[in-house]
Amino acid sequence: GENVEQHPSTLSVQEGDSAVIKCTYSDSASNYFPWYKQELGKGPQLIIDIRSNVGEKKDQRIAVTLNKTAKHFSLHITETQPEDSAVYFCAARNSGYALNFGKGTSLLVTP
Amino acid sequence: NAGVMQNPRHLVRRRGQEARLRCSPMKGHSHVYWYRQLPEEGLKFMVYLQKENIIDESGMPKERFSAEFPKEGPSILRIQQVVRGDSAAYFCASSRENYEQYFGPGTRLTVT
Repeated sequence: GENVEQHPSTLSVQEGDSAVIKCTYSDSASNYFPWYKQELGKGPQLIIDIRSNVGEKKDQRIAVTLNKTAKHFSLHITETQPEDSAVYFCAARNSGYALNFGKGTSLLVTP
Repeated sequence: NAGVMQNPRHLVRRRGQEARLRCSPMKGHSHVYWYRQLPEEGLKFMVYLQKENIIDESGMPKERFSAEFPKEGPSILRIQQVVRGDSAAYFCASSRENYEQYFGPGTRLTVT
C-alpha cells in the first residue's frame, strides 16, 4: 500500500520567516495530495491540495509543489504568524478513497 | 453551513463495554470516511461508506469493529468489548463524490 513519509517532525521558525514541510510517497498511482492543519483538540482542517496534473498551487501565503518524477511534494508557508502554529499533515490518495497520511509536522512560530 | 458533526466529543468506557461514535456529514455530502489517530501519529483510514453501503473497510480491524451509514440518520462506528488499545481519537470526514474530505472535530475515546 501507499507509504507517506513526512519531514521534519518538528519545526520552529521566527515570525515572518518561511516554513517548508516535505513529504514523499511510494505509490506512483497517487494523484491527489492534500495538506491539513490540526490545532490542539480539533479535527484536521484542509488548507490546500494539489492534483497530479499540476506542479504548483498557491493560495495567499501558502503554496504546494509537486514533483511526480521524484514522488515528493512540499508545503511552503511564507510570512509566518503565531497563529500558523499547529500540526500539519500531508496525505496522498491513489485511485481509491482512503487518504494515506504522513505522521505530521509540529510547527511553532515564535514572535 | 454546519460542518461535519461528531458526538460525543469525549467518551470514557471500561474494558469490555461498547462504544458508539456518531457522525453527521456536511450538508450535501453523501460519502463518509472514518479514521483513527493514535497519540503522536497520523490518521489511519478505517472505513468508507455511502448511504446504506460499505464501500471499503480495508482499514477496519476484523473483529469488534463495525460501521454503518443508514438511509436516515448519522453514520455510526461501533466498537464492541473495548480494550485499552482502542483508546484514540476517531475522526469522521465527509465529501461529495470523490472530492475533498472535510473532517469533524473527532471523538476522543478513553478505555479504562
